[in-house]
Amino acid sequence: DGGITQSPKYLFRKEGQNVTLSCEQNLNHDAMYWYRQDPGQGLRLIYYSQIVNDFQKGDIAEGYSVSREKKESFPLTVTSAQKNPTAFYLCASSIVVSNEKLFFGSGTQLSVL
Amino acid sequence: QQPVQSPQAVILREGEDAVINCSSSKALYSVHWYRQKHGEAPVFLMILLKGGEQKGHEKISASFNEKKQQSSLYLTASQLSYSGTYFCGTFQNSGYALNFGKGTSLLVTP
Repeated sequence: DGGITQSPKYLFRKEGQNVTLSCEQNLNHDAMYWYRQDPGQGLRLIYYSQIVNDFQKGDIAEGYSVSREKKESFPLTVTSAQKNPTAFYLCASSIVVSNEKLFFGSGTQLSVL
Repeated sequence: QQPVQSPQAVILREGEDAVINCSSSKALYSVHWYRQKHGEAPVFLMILLKGGEQKGHEKISASFNEKKQQSSLYLTASQLSYSGTYFCGTFQNSGYALNFGKGTSLLVTP
């Protein structure tokens, strides 16, 4: 079955540490996205990518970095510059960056030790 | 620009109806609706497009007023399975990705 796989489900970060969240899709979608979800705040866009080797900042990109070396993969690194990283992170994909529905992964809960 | 959803929370008895509203200060090309169960991924419900075309879920309906930049989601004869948080996502005319509202928490009780 096609879908989006995020790993790990739970992740803990120590002070000053960078951590990477994995997102893989086998839907053959060109566009991929990272959203951050905080309680009561909805989903806020961190980064998005339209095609391989291209990505753009969203509304809250500071303290995060991404890469898109393969169509299937869009990993997100939460750097030490992100001072409040505790949140639920959702990866999504769509056929293209346009008005198409999003398919979401099951999310990664990141917490700070 | 994050759209505004209302109400923030609703509690219904099984069989009752509910309306969830979504409004934007920007001109919209479309509105998307998603439902999320606690700790799970949001699941697509429907898209409402500028010009009146509607796609999506057979048991839940919605409207899109382009002039007012508003959309409403109608849940009729609610079922226990309708419980969750509902998000609207708006796609602006010059947009590149969905902007989501803060969500409406819906609880359906027996």
